[in-house]
Amino acid sequence: DADVTQTPRNRITKTGKRIMLECSQTKGHDRMYWYRQDPGLGLRLIYYSFDVKDINKGEISDGYSVSRQAQAKFSLSLESAIPNQTALYFCATSDLAHEQFFGPGTRLTVL
Amino acid sequence: SQELEQSPQSLIVQEGKNLTINCTSSKTLYGLYWYKQKYGEGLIFLMMLQKGGEEKSHEKITAKLDEKKQQSSLHITASQPSHAGIYLCGADMTGNTGKLIFGQGTTLQVKP
Repeated sequence: DADVTQTPRNRITKTGKRIMLECSQTKGHDRMYWYRQDPGLGLRLIYYSFDVKDINKGEISDGYSVSRQAQAKFSLSLESAIPNQTALYFCATSDLAHEQFFGPGTRLTVL
Repeated sequence: SQELEQSPQSLIVQEGKNLTINCTSSKTLYGLYWYKQKYGEGLIFLMMLQKGGEEKSHEKITAKLDEKKQQSSLHITASQPSHAGIYLCGADMTGNTGKLIFGQGTTLQVKP
């Protein structure tokens, strides 16, 4: 079984809809991250959490919110999706050694 | 502007040829991570470098971090079609925060 899972894997939605992307991990890591990937821009950090009570904004948090429901679960929400949020979204986890383990990604399309 | 610059942005090589991908920063890198991504899929960790001058190898892939810790190179020897994908470097640029900044990626195609 995969250590970091993301659901859904693909999602098509309309402008203005609320969307939640979920991430679960079985690695026992405290640190979790949400990134988005756009062609030619690499990965950009949206939010990160170093433990259940610690949530921090990344470089592109506007339009997004997160919830850390448990050590193993970290959800990303788009309150009112817009077309420029169309991207590939990745969840990652790490321990203090910093190597990050990535989920398979969620491809989100906002029409 | 990109804090971490990768070059080239894309590369097409003939199978069997060697190639190098560079990752350059204007700041000191406290940790440098190389990942590989197949199109539309997750990232696979390749190597981590922390010390200036450090070099690591895995199969036919070698990565180095220069002495000043501001540039890393990834070298593939005798490339194979299985090496094709997107290579990304990620760096901790603030020291022990766990946050990584990523380069824009280098897309590698290997022609049989």
